[in-house]
Amino acid sequence: AQSVTQPDIHITVSEGASLELRCNYSYGATPYLFWYVQSPGQGLQLLLKYFSGDTLVQGIKGFEAEFKRSQSSFNLRKPSVHWSDAAEYFCAVGGNKLVFGAGTILRVKS
Amino acid sequence: NAGVTQTPKFRILKIGQSMTLQCTQDMNHNYMYWYRQDPGMGLKLIYYSVGAGITDKGEVPNGYNVSRSTTEDFPLRLELAAPSQTSVYFCASSSGGGYGYTFGSGTRLTVV
Repeated sequence: AQSVTQPDIHITVSEGASLELRCNYSYGATPYLFWYVQSPGQGLQLLLKYFSGDTLVQGIKGFEAEFKRSQSSFNLRKPSVHWSDAAEYFCAVGGNKLVFGAGTILRVKS
Repeated sequence: NAGVTQTPKFRILKIGQSMTLQCTQDMNHNYMYWYRQDPGMGLKLIYYSVGAGITDKGEVPNGYNVSRSTTEDFPLRLELAAPSQTSVYFCASSSGGGYGYTFGSGTRLTVV
């Protein structure tokens, strides 16, 4: 069965520091992988996606993610976090139907 | 472009009442979905549709029904509301495969 694990429920980083959010997945074949961001009271916005090719993908707002097949991981990174990045982040896997992780809440301290 | 539009944004229901959550998309997407979001649980798939006239159950369909008479609309029906259905409901649409979803802004439902 497909599943997504986001090991960190909450992460707090200082503004300007680097960020890495972890995502591990279980899937029967090479999946489509996604990261979404949700600001409070809002819907989910697509940050980036991977389905083939270069394993390092660039997204919006300065985010990137790296697909590592051997580790079944798709971690999200940002070199320098801004206060406006505070939100909840969801990793998702699948094809026409997506399975979502439980989310990681990012807090940014000034 | 409106994208995916959900109504209402907020609703309080009494136990046993019924209601329909509306979802409309203007992107001509074949795939549409209903998810519920509960704190710390991520999003769980309730129902989905691969085109007009075709629907199927997701992971948590009990207590809900859907229909898809047009490409644009995918309403979600709650027949006998229960407190366990208190949640935030998201509708989404997709052109399929690796393109990902476009989400609506959600409906916050409280059953008391």
